[in-house]
Amino acid sequence: DAKTTQPPSMDCAEGRAANLPCNHSTISGNEYVYWYRQIHSQGPQYIIHGLKNNETNEMASLIITEDRKSSTLILPHATLRDTAVYYCIVRVAGRSGGSNYKLTFGKGTLLTVNP
Amino acid sequence: NAGVTQTPKFRILKIGQSMTLQCTQDMNHNYMYWYRQDPGMGLKLIYYSVGAGITDKGEVPNGYNVSRSTTEDFPLRLELAAPSQTSVYFCASSYAGAEQFFGPGTRLTVL
Repeated sequence: DAKTTQPPSMDCAEGRAANLPCNHSTISGNEYVYWYRQIHSQGPQYIIHGLKNNETNEMASLIITEDRKSSTLILPHATLRDTAVYYCIVRVAGRSGGSNYKLTFGKGTLLTVNP
Repeated sequence: NAGVTQTPKFRILKIGQSMTLQCTQDMNHNYMYWYRQDPGMGLKLIYYSVGAGITDKGEVPNGYNVSRSTTEDFPLRLELAAPSQTSVYFCASSYAGAEQFFGPGTRLTVL
């Protein structure tokens, strides 16, 4: 799986948009970008994923650059409950075997939402 | 649906003791995983299973064993606990390799 690079920490004011960057310059054509988050002492939670088109769901938006070497997770109106470590993960998606489904977690970005 | 449940939530073991961490999912997922998370670090895959009766090693399998006799259950066994196994253990499941659903974790301390 391609390696990802994220800033170790970011701050955001409550109610403002939080934009979390991720670099994945060695991403392959068949690799997706996944985002998970982990609120303190809880299990990770899936947020969103995408291949090359921008994606949006009820939690967030994912913007992937045209060359797919970087992406940004956007939380449009951050709340205090969004304070968490956010993980950007790049991996193959498909049915080629269980080992391809493992998630490789780095250290992520600690997002702190301030009142 | 309860999702992924793990027991116990907390446990303290003495060196050399053994224990089983339980994991159950009620989403009929074929794929299940065990991860460990050391303080300040990301998660590392210990073992995974692609279906009942099939298991395979992840990145850090030494000191652990698993079994998968049913779709729902994926217990993790520690035979001879060591201080290096002090960690938080997360179980997860998925249907077809897309999003993984994680349990609340088991916090294990080995003294």
